[in-house]
Amino acid sequence: KNEVEQSPQNLTAQEGEFITINCSYSVGISALHWLQQHPGGGIVSLFMLSSGKKKHGRLIATINIQEKHSSLHITASHPRDSAVYICAVRFNNYQLIWGAGTKLIIKP
Amino acid sequence: GAVVSQHPSWVICKSGTSVKIECRSLDFQATTMFWYRQFPKQSLMLMATSNEGSKATYEQGVEKDKFLINHASLTLSTLTVTSAHPEDSSFYICSARWGLRETQYFGPGTRLLVL
Repeated sequence: KNEVEQSPQNLTAQEGEFITINCSYSVGISALHWLQQHPGGGIVSLFMLSSGKKKHGRLIATINIQEKHSSLHITASHPRDSAVYICAVRFNNYQLIWGAGTKLIIKP
Repeated sequence: GAVVSQHPSWVICKSGTSVKIECRSLDFQATTMFWYRQFPKQSLMLMATSNEGSKATYEQGVEKDKFLINHASLTLSTLTVTSAHPEDSSFYICSARWGLRETQYFGPGTRLLVL
């Protein structure tokens, strides 16, 4: 069964803290996406990974294919980073299986 | 980056009426468009996948006669919620991609409230 699990479900941190959100999946994949959903519902695609590591500004995404695990890191977190972060995985077909999301709140 | 728009951004309708939601790719040709639904505090759920010029593929449990999807051109897909009921109230999001590229570009979503 193709499954995607995210942790933690909820995360509250102080501004400036280093944030890590984890995503694990059950079988081999062709690609993994990290997305950000703002309180208004709009979704932004942050990263697409099939191997290694990607960095964009204060965001870093890594994936370990052997361990079937990916992490999203936020350095120097800011209140505007508050959002739901979603991991979505493609299991060798073109549809995405979504994680449940991690609700992140950064307090000033 | 690529832009996907949705219209309307929100809609309120009476029970029993039909509502059409448009999804447009503004600067690229979307060979595939996806329609998602999100209930409050829940994750996105894929409803259907549509390829330009062919019938949509619906996920299990999604009524194709109730949620009509048309992808008549490479820049436009429409989702029509027929005979809407209060339980259809939700946040509907489309995404689009072109060719076999991995990246999907998401629309801003449409909030539907059925009274």
